[in-house]
Amino acid sequence: KQEVTQIPAALSVPEGENLVLNCSFTDSAIYNLQWFRQDPGKGLTSLLLIQSSQREQTSGRLNASLDKSSGRSTLYIAASQPGDSATYLCAVRPGDSNYQLIWGAGTKLIIKP
Amino acid sequence: NAGVTQTPKFQVLKTGQSMTLQCAQDMNHEYMSWYRQDPGMGLRLIHYSVGAGITDQGEVPNGYNVSRSTTEDFPLRLLSAAPSQTSVYFCASSRQGVNTGELFFGEGSRLTVL
Repeated sequence: KQEVTQIPAALSVPEGENLVLNCSFTDSAIYNLQWFRQDPGKGLTSLLLIQSSQREQTSGRLNASLDKSSGRSTLYIAASQPGDSATYLCAVRPGDSNYQLIWGAGTKLIIKP
Repeated sequence: NAGVTQTPKFQVLKTGQSMTLQCAQDMNHEYMSWYRQDPGMGLRLIHYSVGAGITDQGEVPNGYNVSRSTTEDFPLRLLSAAPSQTSVYFCASSRQGVNTGELFFGEGSRLTVL
């Protein structure tokens, strides 16, 4: 059974730092992996989608990488800003499912001004 | 742009009561789904629908019913609420399942069952 883990559960860094959030999964047979952002009291917003055949995706200051063989993905945030404070979740689509995502519990990120 | 609209945002129920969480989207999305989010855990899929008249179970369907009579609406019914159903519920939709990454979420409905 696919399991997704995000460590640490919470992270606090000063503004301006580059940082990396981690996501690991137990079964390398995935179709894709997605990163989402969740603001308090709000829904989730899709940030980046990496297909299983891709190694990375970039959007602005965000870069997500995927290493299927090691069961790991990282979300790199460059030049962090207080507005980046949120909970970041990763989710994988298992290879045997068309419609289900398996989610990590998220990393709560706080960027200190 | 309304996107995905969930109502109510907050609800308190007593054990055994029934209620319906409403979800509506105005993007003409075929795929709609319901998740629950519990502290320290990832989101878990309750039910999903790939089009009007078609629904299927997700990971944790027990205690919940859904229907999809129109493309726009996908209500989630709690038949007899239990304290274990205390959670935050999210409705999500997309044009084509979970392949495209364009998964749009509502703002959530926080349910407390006493």
